[in-house]
Amino acid sequence: SQQGEEDPQALSIQEGENATMNCSYKTSINNLQWYRQNSGRGLVHLILIRSNEREKHSGRLRVTLDTSKKSSSLLITASRAADTASYFCASNPNTNAGKSTFGDGTTLTVKP
Amino acid sequence: EAGVVQSPRYKIIEKKQPVAFWCNPISGHNTLYWYRQNLGQGPELLIRYENEEAVDDSQLPKDRFSAERLKGVDSTLKIQPAELGDSAVYLCASSRGSANTGELFFGEGSRLTVL
Repeated sequence: SQQGEEDPQALSIQEGENATMNCSYKTSINNLQWYRQNSGRGLVHLILIRSNEREKHSGRLRVTLDTSKKSSSLLITASRAADTASYFCASNPNTNAGKSTFGDGTTLTVKP
Repeated sequence: EAGVVQSPRYKIIEKKQPVAFWCNPISGHNTLYWYRQNLGQGPELLIRYENEEAVDDSQLPKDRFSAERLKGVDSTLKIQPAELGDSAVYLCASSRGSANTGELFFGEGSRLTVL
């Protein structure tokens, strides 16, 4: 029943490498958000991209949005061991304002 | 500024017992959400409040789940009776407006184990 799907489900890289995670969604959106969740903790907001934006940067994070393909990607550059976490996209559809729908996440492991 | 506070962090009960979770959102946040997160999955919305009003409870299993947000601040989520399949993490989140305008702030969650 989730609207979004992340790909890959799991990703393991070495410290210093870049990590790319992808998200697909099903309906037209107002915005799409990325969150991070450390094991046993709550979700923390990383970045929001609006439907009229194509790319957004925040520190080592780069998010792209392709509304024609209903997809988004999150790139983490120069990864660190502290980036180890699960990453979720949340899409906010035009038809139900305020209903963030999450995918099942990508589990990222960054090896020191 | 204090974050979203949830309690208890952990709860272990036997099936058919009742359980309640409490959430105190960030001061000034009008919108409050309850999500359920099963192991290895993303959060699923159970109910969303705008102030005191439940504006989206379509995913709340109303036969056993209930929620309230008296005075538009704190909220409680209750399960009675609990079933084995209710084992999950229950996350509370709040936002200043709707998710269309900004981010959600999450609490640490309440992990429920039903035996």
